Amino acid sequence: ETGVTQSPTHLIKTRGQQVTLRCSSQSGHNTVSWYQQALGQGPQFIFQYYREEENGRGNFPPRFSGLQFPNYSSELNVNALELDDSALYLCASSLGPPPDNEQFFGPGTRLTVL
Amino acid sequence: ILNVEQSPQSLHVQEGDSTNFTCSFPSSNFYALHWYRWETAKSPEALFVMTLNGDEKKKGRISATLNTKEGYSYLYIKGSQPEDSATYLCAFVTGNQFYFGTGTSLTVIP
Repeated sequence: ETGVTQSPTHLIKTRGQQVTLRCSSQSGHNTVSWYQQALGQGPQFIFQYYREEENGRGNFPPRFSGLQFPNYSSELNVNALELDDSALYLCASSLGPPPDNEQFFGPGTRLTVL
Repeated sequence: ILNVEQSPQSLHVQEGDSTNFTCSFPSSNFYALHWYRWETAKSPEALFVMTLNGDEKKKGRISATLNTKEGYSYLYIKGSQPEDSATYLCAFVTGNQFYFGTGTSLTVIP
């Protein structure tokens, strides 16, 4: 059974650019959640996708958008990058939506915005 | 803004000691409380998903309790081992949203 994978591992962008991060969910999982973890903070919920539809969104601006594909893999897109977007981005997949489905996390993508 | 607090922020214990830490969350609109362990250079790993007031869960030497009426959960580690060194995160679930605390960093000294 393949676990959750994310790509790329690290990324450096400049302010104003756009970035796409990718997540492959664990086999059999139809729900993917994305989190941003800034230094010294806990993960902040960005949004969740369930069966290709957005199923919940945290307090992030519209320049954070996402997609889920028929194979349940997912993308996080961030437009007009700002310095504060520098963080570790985690995705997590689960057998179904919350509240009681265990999440399986990927290793994260470290984004640096200069 | 919904607040999930974890205490202490960090903890150093000797191998063999038992320890516990706290996660505090709102007592309303409770759906679930998740606990995760996050070791350095690895992905967060789910420990427990707790949904009912009074829930007690156990996995080996680690156990957790839940009080939704007063808004807290305790995580206990019995006989700490160096491999227990990690950051322990709790996440309050309401609706379809997860709210994580900032974690308790545990270091077990051999």
